[in-house]
Formats: sequence, C-alpha cells, structure tokens
Amino acid sequence: GAVVSQHPSWVICKSGTSVKIECRSLDFQATTMFWYRQFPKQSLMLMATSNEGSKATYEQGVEKDKFLINHASLTLSTLTVTSAHPEDSSFYICSALSTGPYEQYFGPGTRLTVT
Amino acid sequence: SQQGEEDPQALSIQEGENATMNCSYKTSINNLQWYRQNSGRGLVHLILIRSNEREKHSGRLRVTLDTSKKSSSLLITASRAADTASYFCATDAKGGSTLGRLYFGRGTQLTVWP
Repeated sequence: GAVVSQHPSWVICKSGTSVKIECRSLDFQATTMFWYRQFPKQSLMLMATSNEGSKATYEQGVEKDKFLINHASLTLSTLTVTSAHPEDSSFYICSALSTGPYEQYFGPGTRLTVT
Repeated sequence: SQQGEEDPQALSIQEGENATMNCSYKTSINNLQWYRQNSGRGLVHLILIRSNEREKHSGRLRVTLDTSKKSSSLLITASRAADTASYFCATDAKGGSTLGRLYFGRGTQLTVWP
C-alpha cells in the first residue's frame, strides 16, 4: 500500500527555537496533505490543510504565523513550529490524500518535546 | 469541532472476550472509517464503511453503520492482548468543502488482559 513518511520521528528542542517536520508521500502524489496534532490520551485535532502550490488553510484557533506550512511539491509538505514553547510539545501527524482513487494515508507521527 | 464521539472512553476486557466500541456523529457522511493507534505510534486504517452499507466484516472485525441514528459500532471478536490500543472513528462530511477532510472521535482505549 501507499506509504507516507515523517521526519524526524522525534525531536527535542529548546524553547524559542524553530523545528521543521517533513511529511513525504513515498510512492504517490498528493495535492492535499493534512496536519494533525495529538495531545496525550486525546484525539487527533486537525491543524491545517496543506495544498500543493497554494497557501495552507488553517483551522480556527491555529496560529498560521506560528505553524508555517509549505507544500512545495506533490510529495512533500513541511510544518515548521516557530519559536516553540513547552505547550507546543505534542505528537504531530500528517496524512496525504492520493488521487484516483481518493484515499488518505497517515504518516507515523513526530513526537516534539520542547524544553 | 469533531464530528465523532466514541463510547466507552475506556474498555478493559479479558483475552477471548468480544469488544464493542460505538461512535456517533453529527452530520451526513459519505463514509466512516475506523483506525487503530498503538501508544505513541501512527494510525493504522482498519476498515471503511460507506453510507449505503449497513455492515462490513474484515477478519475479526465487524463494523455496523446506522445512518438514521448517525452511529457506528466496531466489534472485535475473540480479542487478544495485541489488540490493546486506542480505536478512533473518523468521518468525512457529505458536501464538505475540503475533499478528504476527516473528523475524528475522541477514541476508545481498549485494554485486553492476557
């Protein structure tokens, strides 16, 4: 089946620094990718929809200047957490939507810890 | 806000028993999916049921869908300790503006004791 990878799988950073997370569709093209955040023992919350070649669409309450999304190619979307704070520590999961047929594939997630 | 709501939030059973989890949603859907997530890991897709289907089977999994009640159930038969995980339902939104957008429920944490 189709594979979506995320890199890194885990990252620890200091407060105030920025962290970039990559989401790649390995064997299919994805014009749309989704970024989710998941806090411990909670469900996935959609942060933003990433569209190739255009600006991302952010969910209400998600700061677009803090969570920068770039979908520069049909196989890569990146999420940059800028000026990270401890409260940004979370599990970030991406998914990619393949076309023809439309199916969604999830990445393995990235564990971000901000100290 | 999320469409899906699962119950129970936590379920603890012995190996060999059946586990039933329920999911309710709010708006019309095209399909409903169930996912499994082991602690700290990504999602594993289990099964998709379309809005015109009432029941679907896959191995030890049985999913039902009642669109009149806007609810679905996931039954795992003859559970195993390896089934211990969180289970989420996810729906799309019929007529939604974003293709592929999913709404996840809160999930059910299933623990199967050996």
